[in-house]
Amino acid sequence: EPEVTQTPSHQVTQMGQEVILRCVPISNHLYFYWYRQILGQKVEFLVSFYNNEISEKSEIFDDQFSVERPDGSNFTLKIRSTKLEDSAMYFCASSEFLSGHGYTFGSGTRLTVV
Amino acid sequence: ILNVEQSPQSLHVQEGDSTNFTCSFPSSNFYALHWYRWETAKSPEALFVMTLNGDEKKKGRISATLNTKEGYSYLYIKGSQPEDSATYLCAFLPDNAGNNRKLIWGLGTSLAVNP
Repeated sequence: EPEVTQTPSHQVTQMGQEVILRCVPISNHLYFYWYRQILGQKVEFLVSFYNNEISEKSEIFDDQFSVERPDGSNFTLKIRSTKLEDSAMYFCASSEFLSGHGYTFGSGTRLTVV
Repeated sequence: ILNVEQSPQSLHVQEGDSTNFTCSFPSSNFYALHWYRWETAKSPEALFVMTLNGDEKKKGRISATLNTKEGYSYLYIKGSQPEDSATYLCAFLPDNAGNNRKLIWGLGTSLAVNP
């Protein structure tokens, strides 16, 4: 069964450093998403991406965040200058249809900022 | 502000018990309601995507119902097994225009099934 893969599974970084979280969505999916979950809190939407551009972003997704699809298969989330409060589980998801049917999540990257 | 509430927050049952949890969501601008099962250190696993009022879906011992008019969905597990232990999340998909579909998540119900 096709799956969304994320790397690394766990990343520890120092405050102020840049991190890049990588995702390989399912190949025929067109819609891509990043979500995160801070420990003990709800899963939060960060950004959606379609047709090589951001289609929506949340207020969390400020100037320190960026996404890109550098080579047509990877989908990356970059955090430019990490803060302690960025520590969370980051999930990538992709969907074939606009309706949201067939949302598939990756296994997540646990980011720890120290 | 769109909000999704789940209850109870956690549940402990004995193997063989049947159980159910609730997901409440906004009854306006409804597009779809998703249920996911999430085990620690794994990715959320899609259980159901429900779109029509009155929908009932079933997957093995797990089933779900949907009431979009009053804004709630129930998830039922019949004859719980230890392997059912997980967090069950629901997520609401509002009917927004445009090329995005962002899910709005509940906090989840954490189920522990004791052997």
